[in-house]
Amino acid sequence: DTEVTQTPKHLVMGMTNKKSLKCEQHMGHRAMYWYKQKAKKPPELMFVYSYEKLSINESVPSRFSPECPNSSLLNLHLHALQPEDSALYLCASSQEGLAVYNEQFFGPGTRLTVL
Amino acid sequence: KNEVEQSPQNLTAQEGEFITINCSYSVGISALHWLQQHPGGGIVSLFMLSSGKKKHGRLIATINIQEKHSSLHITASHPRDSAVYICAVSRSGSARQLTFGSGTQLTVLP
Repeated sequence: DTEVTQTPKHLVMGMTNKKSLKCEQHMGHRAMYWYKQKAKKPPELMFVYSYEKLSINESVPSRFSPECPNSSLLNLHLHALQPEDSALYLCASSQEGLAVYNEQFFGPGTRLTVL
Repeated sequence: KNEVEQSPQNLTAQEGEFITINCSYSVGISALHWLQQHPGGGIVSLFMLSSGKKKHGRLIATINIQEKHSSLHITASHPRDSAVYICAVSRSGSARQLTFGSGTQLTVLP
């Protein structure tokens, strides 16, 4: 299985809602990533988990809360979002270990609209 | 100046044409990635390379480490190749963090 899956594909939420994005991979990858992508822009890294521990947080506002319950799953909990948070949220995974470079495998993304 | 520069930003070609997209970078890298993104979504990794040349079907990627330059070539282009092509680099010492170029929007007309 060489696929990263993300659910839901689309999400519309109000500014007072709480929702979660889910990402799953079964490639045995131990690094998992969340990216945010606005229209016609490249992805921006949000978080990186390595061996289920948060290793990089790119100064993301606390209304975004990541969670890595096990090596295959990555969640992004959303609360009190703003309309400017509307974007495509991409999950990715890669191997970890001694390799100095690791190919990242991306999921199809969740398109989030905040009303 | 961006650390990863791509050219052209937009490219329109006729079906069957040979296409080249260029990427230059100004930082030390451990690898360079070429990614493809179709409208509406997910990103597909086409190539990861640190030297030389790789080929997959009609796609060829080359890198010149001394000149800090990479090219992505598409032979016998087809309308289904229409997508955004993104160059990204893994910096030396920070392999997990990709630095992205701004992307090249390719449209192949039938």
